Amino acid sequence: QKEVEQDPGPLSVPEGAIVSLNCTYSNSAFQYFMWYRQYSRKGPELLMYTYSSGNKEDGRFTAQVDKSSKYISLFIRDSQPSDSATYLCASNNAGNMLTFGGGTRLMVKP
Amino acid sequence: GAGVSQSPSNKVTEKGKDVELRCDPISGHTALYWYRQSLGQGLEFLIYFQGNSAPDKSGLPSDRFSAERTGGSVSTLTIQRTQQEDSAVYLCASSLLAVLGEQFFGPGTRLTVL
Repeated sequence: QKEVEQDPGPLSVPEGAIVSLNCTYSNSAFQYFMWYRQYSRKGPELLMYTYSSGNKEDGRFTAQVDKSSKYISLFIRDSQPSDSATYLCASNNAGNMLTFGGGTRLMVKP
Repeated sequence: GAGVSQSPSNKVTEKGKDVELRCDPISGHTALYWYRQSLGQGLEFLIYFQGNSAPDKSGLPSDRFSAERTGGSVSTLTIQRTQQEDSAVYLCASSLLAVLGEQFFGPGTRLTVL
């Protein structure tokens, strides 16, 4: 079993929909949780960064971490075709390498 | 401001040749990481540098892989005697302080071993 699990998708939604992306993790030592967006043939771009449990909002994006259930979520409101990309969740303990989920491919149809 | 830069963006080489991949981290970032992204394997950690400390090499897949970081800035990942299974995108990331957790990635070098 991988330390961070993520449904690969693809997830296809109509423009304007609310998107929910999820990951689970197994390592209790993880303290930092990140979501990256990766467009085809580009490097991952940091979207959201949270420490420990709780919610964080940035524009149309909301990240949630529930350490009790080891569950990480990213919500995208009013999704746009430009949001079509692969979304990667990642976690680490301070100073250590990131452990990534396999990525979820999202397609937002106009 | 300038982000993480990597060169070359693409590299095609023949099996058995050595290759060098370069990473220029964000100025002032003390931590530097190398990852590899391949189909079916996702993103895998290779090696990590923090300041002047000994690097964490625990992710290097074989002794054909090595990396150095000169002057606490630029890093070079070297793969000796390349094999076809080394074909992947090699990504570099940097962090202001490793303890902060967040890492910023470069565009990657796409390596193809024929």
